[in-house]
Amino acid sequence: DADVTQTPRNRITKTGKRIMLECSQTKGHDRMYWYRQDPGLGLRLIYYSFDVKDINKGEISDGYSVSRQAQAKFSLSLESAIPNQTALYFCATRAGGGYGYTFGSGTRLTVV
Amino acid sequence: AQSVTQLDSHVSVSEGTPVLLRCNYSSSYSPSLFWYVQHPNKGLQLLLKYTSAATLVKGINGFEAEFKKSETSFHLTKPSAHMSDAAEYFCVVTRSSATNKLIFGTGTLLAVQP
Repeated sequence: DADVTQTPRNRITKTGKRIMLECSQTKGHDRMYWYRQDPGLGLRLIYYSFDVKDINKGEISDGYSVSRQAQAKFSLSLESAIPNQTALYFCATRAGGGYGYTFGSGTRLTVV
Repeated sequence: AQSVTQLDSHVSVSEGTPVLLRCNYSSSYSPSLFWYVQHPNKGLQLLLKYTSAATLVKGINGFEAEFKKSETSFHLTKPSAHMSDAAEYFCVVTRSSATNKLIFGTGTLLAVQP
């Protein structure tokens, strides 16, 4: 099994719908991150969490919310999806004090 | 503030020839630098990382990068390209302490011609 698992792998949704992307990890890392990738822009940070009670906004958090249900689970929600949220979304984890990030395989989201 | 600039959005090389992917960084702090690779329809894989130890860093698959503070550069090189190296490469910077966020470059798409 993968260390960082994202579900679903692909999703097409309609404008205005609520959608949740899920991330779970078996690394035992305390830090978890959500990034989105757009062509020509690299990856940009949406939200990050240092533990279950510590949630922080990244550079592009508008239109998104997150939930850290447990150390191993970090979900990203789009309350009312819009077409410019069409992107590839990555979850990542990192151990506190370490440099090694582990990325999931990504969720490709299309909002029509 | 920290940032990275990948100087080429596309690089094309012939199989067996050297690869050079250029990255310049800006950081007010002592940085940690990474190169990640993303193959088509795949996630991100760490190639190598610099964290204030040796300035010449060797990574996986024959890649290496040299941290040059005077030039604020962290270019990625490989002596001989393989077809399997065709992918997108990201240069990434973060603080070397209390790190919490990766700052990604915009990516360089490497094409390898037979």
